[in-house]
Amino acid sequence: ETGVTQTPRHLVMGMTNKKSLKCEQHLGHNAMYWYKQSAKKPLELMFVYSLEERVENNSVPSRFSPECPNSSHLFLHLHTLQPEDSALYLCASSQDLWSYEQYFGPGTRLTVT
Amino acid sequence: AQTVTQSQPEMSVQEAETVTLSCTYDTSESNYYLFWYKQPPSRQMILVIRQEAYKQQNATENRFSVNFQKAAKSFSLKISDSQLGDTAMYFCAFSLNYGGSQGNLIFGKGTKLSVKP
Repeated sequence: ETGVTQTPRHLVMGMTNKKSLKCEQHLGHNAMYWYKQSAKKPLELMFVYSLEERVENNSVPSRFSPECPNSSHLFLHLHTLQPEDSALYLCASSQDLWSYEQYFGPGTRLTVT
Repeated sequence: AQTVTQSQPEMSVQEAETVTLSCTYDTSESNYYLFWYKQPPSRQMILVIRQEAYKQQNATENRFSVNFQKAAKSFSLKISDSQLGDTAMYFCAFSLNYGGSQGNLIFGKGTKLSVKP
């Protein structure tokens, strides 16, 4: 297993709920990423952080709010989600921004009811 | 804009046999990287193999090798002596090469490979 962990592994939430996804990397990396993986669609990059600064936001709706308090932790705060937001959310990290090898976590399977 | 296409949504292979997964991409750039990632049913995605576009020699990693055809913009993955543990989703990915640093990873939709005993 890689040194990237994600919690929870499964989450079911209603459209009015607020929840957070957590990612932690134990690799000493400086960059972290959030991806969305939907069925039959390519992985979509959502957010990128380098040294705790957000460097990319790929036109993600504001109901998704990332937070990177330090280089080891990354959160994705969720509120007022839609059923189409149901997907697998993957966290990844790399030594430096855009280093060629990204290490992925196991993902959080999110279901919005 | 760059795109990555994997035309085989699902494939199966008998254990110990060889299978080839297809990937094509589109870019107007000449300097880039190509990758194959594997996502087993446990969902943790791992890098299988990487190819730099400026290298003519095809990358190999043990039982995994690629056939990189730059002019045709094709990047197929060959798995030799398939093992049950090779059962997974395989994603082809592309990124630009900015003087040694890669850009945004762009993924294909994936190919689900099943290795049968």
